[in-house]
Amino acid sequence: DAGVIQSPRHEVTEMGQEVTLRCKPISGHNSLFWYRQTMMRGLELLIYFNNNVPIDDSGMPEDRFSAKMPNASFSTLKIQPSEPRDSAVYFCASIQGASGVVTGYGYTFGSGTRLTVV
Amino acid sequence: ILNVEQSPQSLHVQEGDSTNFTCSFPSSNFYALHWYRWETAKSPEALFVMTLNGDEKKKGRISATLNTKEGYSYLYIKGSQPEDSATYLCAFSNAGGTSYGKLTFGQGTILTVHP
Repeated sequence: DAGVIQSPRHEVTEMGQEVTLRCKPISGHNSLFWYRQTMMRGLELLIYFNNNVPIDDSGMPEDRFSAKMPNASFSTLKIQPSEPRDSAVYFCASIQGASGVVTGYGYTFGSGTRLTVV
Repeated sequence: ILNVEQSPQSLHVQEGDSTNFTCSFPSSNFYALHWYRWETAKSPEALFVMTLNGDEKKKGRISATLNTKEGYSYLYIKGSQPEDSATYLCAFSNAGGTSYGKLTFGQGTILTVHP
């Protein structure tokens, strides 16, 4: 398996533009997590899915953020409109659900998308 | 809100020193405790997955212990090397059946090993 694949690796956009981040989890992993890394808050959970269903989106900062998982192999995180304070590294991670937390090898993280909003 | 606390926040040691960090987590409804190593400009990588009170795990010079009754885990590095420089994250899972694999991460301990 190629691991968790995120795209793009880097994104520079102007304030007000729509940004879409993409993630392909490991095949067979049924839980997917979107995290944001900032200096102030560290690794912050935004939203997570189980079997393609959003379970908890309480970490999504505001209505400008939305996430979807149309199938088991693809998820998107969209920011519309983007603002400079959204600049951060966004990570996607996957795991084999609750059982993977105890029997597996932990989360597999993607390489992250470094977003810069100017 | 689950609080996962790590200490110290940062640590500077000399090559060859042994060191350890602490992770504190809620002792109720314990399900699993993970340790991750996060190098600069890379993504976090899992070091250990621990589930039983008294668990001890080891990978090379790095080892970890777990006390679920009092809610803490220690990570030890023996004979630190410059390549051990990284942020070490712990993450906690509770109520496994309803968490769907959700982990709450601590803020991390930043380790710098000086040659």
